[in-house]
Formats: sequence, C-alpha cells, structure tokens
Amino acid sequence: AQSVAQPEDQVNVAEGNPLTVKCTYSVSGNPYLFWYVQYPNRGLQFLLKYITGDNLVKGSYGFEAEFNKSQTSFHLKKPSALVSDSALYFCAVRVLTGANNLFFGTGTRLTVIP
Amino acid sequence: NAGVTQTPKFRVLKTGQSMTLLCAQDMNHEYMYWYRQDPGMGLRLIHYSVGEGTTAKGEVPDGYNVSRLKKQNFLLGLESAAPSQTSVYFCASSYPRDSTDTQYFGPGTRLTVL
Repeated sequence: AQSVAQPEDQVNVAEGNPLTVKCTYSVSGNPYLFWYVQYPNRGLQFLLKYITGDNLVKGSYGFEAEFNKSQTSFHLKKPSALVSDSALYFCAVRVLTGANNLFFGTGTRLTVIP
Repeated sequence: NAGVTQTPKFRVLKTGQSMTLLCAQDMNHEYMYWYRQDPGMGLRLIHYSVGEGTTAKGEVPDGYNVSRLKKQNFLLGLESAAPSQTSVYFCASSYPRDSTDTQYFGPGTRLTVL
C-alpha cells in the first residue's frame, strides 16, 4: 500500500527567503511523485513530477523538488519565496493499479510574509 | 482549450435531495476521476473511469454514482444527499500514455448539505 506524509500543516517564511515544504512517501516499487498547488477557491494546479532520472526536478513558477530515495522524501523547494506563493501545497504519489489515480498527502499551507 | 470544467461551482442541498455534478474535458483524455476534498484529509478518490462506458469504485464510493456516456463527460450523482457529503468535489482527467501522465484538475464544486 502507498502512503504520503506531509509532516507540517503550516509553513511560514519571509519573502525573499528560501522555502521548503516537506513530503515523505511509502510505496511498493518505483515511486511516481507529484506536487500540486491550490490557490484559494481554485482547483489544483500541477507543479512538477518525478518519474525517473535526475533527483532534482524543476517545475513551474521557479519551484523544484529533490527526490531522495534513501530517505524516501520528495521535498518541494524554492530559492526565494514570493508573497504570491502563499497557497496550499499537496504532495501525491501515483497509485499503480487500474485506476492510476493519485494518493494525496494532507496538504501544507504555505504563508509567505512580506 | 478550456481544460477541465465543472458545473455547478456551488450548490446547497437539503438532506435527501439529489443532484448531479458535471465534469467536462476537451483534451481527449481517456481517464477521468472524481475526488472529494475535506479539511485535513487531502483528496480522496470517489469513482473513476478508464474510458467511455466504463466506471469503477475508488476509495470512498458509498452514496455516489457515476456515468461516462461520452468520453468528454463524467457525471457524479448523489441520489439522497447526506450532511456527510458536504465537501469540495474535484474532477480530474489524464490521457494516460502511461502511469507517469499528469492529472489535470477542474476548479471544483463546493457542496453543502443541510
């Protein structure tokens, strides 16, 4: 069975500082990992994904994520936070069954303080 | 491309009433999904479809029915709404060429059952 943990419900960071949103996973076999962002009253928007290859994945809006197999982690990062990055962030793992659906973490609310 | 659209955006029902949520996608995707989002629980899969005329149960299917009569549309029905079905409902779609494919989400429907 698969699981995804986002250990922090809330992350606060000052504008201009680097940000990290943490995610750890547990899957059988190769992990297919995703990050989505949800702005208020909006649907989920795809940020980036890790399938295979380089452990550092670059995505939309300057975000990147580092895949660490030994620590089973897939942390989301950005070198310099913007106020507009404030949103709810979800880590997800692809379920490798007939559904091919995503199994989501509980989300981390990021607040960037001006 | 409109992507994934959902109607309605908001709805208030009384206990026992019925309604249908419509999801439409114009990306020629084979797979479509219905998720519900509840506070502190991430998104959970209700039902899914791997192609026109096919549907299957997800993680939390009780109290819901679905139909996929046309490839571009995926309907979610509540026959007798209950307060426990108060939630935000998201539709998603993906091609998928393989399990690495990205899912694209609609803007959501906020449902309140009184």
